Amino acid sequence: AQTVTQSQPEMSVQEAETVTLSCTYDTSESDYYLFWYKQPPSRQMILVIRQEAYKQQNATENRFSVNFQKAAKSFSLKISDSQLGDAAMYFCAFDGNQFYFGTGTSLTVIP
Amino acid sequence: DGGITQSPKYLFRKEGQNVTLSCEQNLNHDAMYWYRQDPGQGLRLIYYSQIVNDFQKGDIAEGYSVSREKKESFPLTVTSAQKNPTAFYLCASSIGVREIGNTIYFGEGSWLTVV
Repeated sequence: AQTVTQSQPEMSVQEAETVTLSCTYDTSESDYYLFWYKQPPSRQMILVIRQEAYKQQNATENRFSVNFQKAAKSFSLKISDSQLGDAAMYFCAFDGNQFYFGTGTSLTVIP
Repeated sequence: DGGITQSPKYLFRKEGQNVTLSCEQNLNHDAMYWYRQDPGQGLRLIYYSQIVNDFQKGDIAEGYSVSREKKESFPLTVTSAQKNPTAFYLCASSIGVREIGNTIYFGEGSWLTVV
């Protein structure tokens, strides 16, 4: 079975600074996708960014980017110029033949 | 607006009762899912459905039941057999018959509390 590990239960960042959230996964699949979802206090899960495993180029969406290291099975999320609205739980997810979610990282943004 | 609607937002259940959580989507998605979220455990898959009148058990299906009579609707029943049902429940959908890479979209969730 696939596993997704987020080793940082909580993180904090100063407003306008950069923060990196870690995610590692374990799989024997060669074809898969990786996702980062954001869950703000409203609790609705929102897609942040998506990465295809066969693409070497790291995905980027505005202030959000990933560092995808396939050999190391690592998929970290970098948030640049952090804003108060970035405060949320962030979930890393793996999609092989089924979706698997990590346990989440709670991000606090300090004004 | 297109989206996934879950109701009710908050639900209280007495022990021994069955309750049903509603999930409706107007995204024309084929696949629908139910997840349970507990503190510190991320999301766990309860059931999923790829087409009408077909559904599959996820990792924690015991004590739950579902139906998929219409493409738009995927209600979840929490039965009295579910020993610890207090949790946050998320309904989700994706565009096609289940294949890797399809983004999963989520509803706003339903809180269920046993009293």
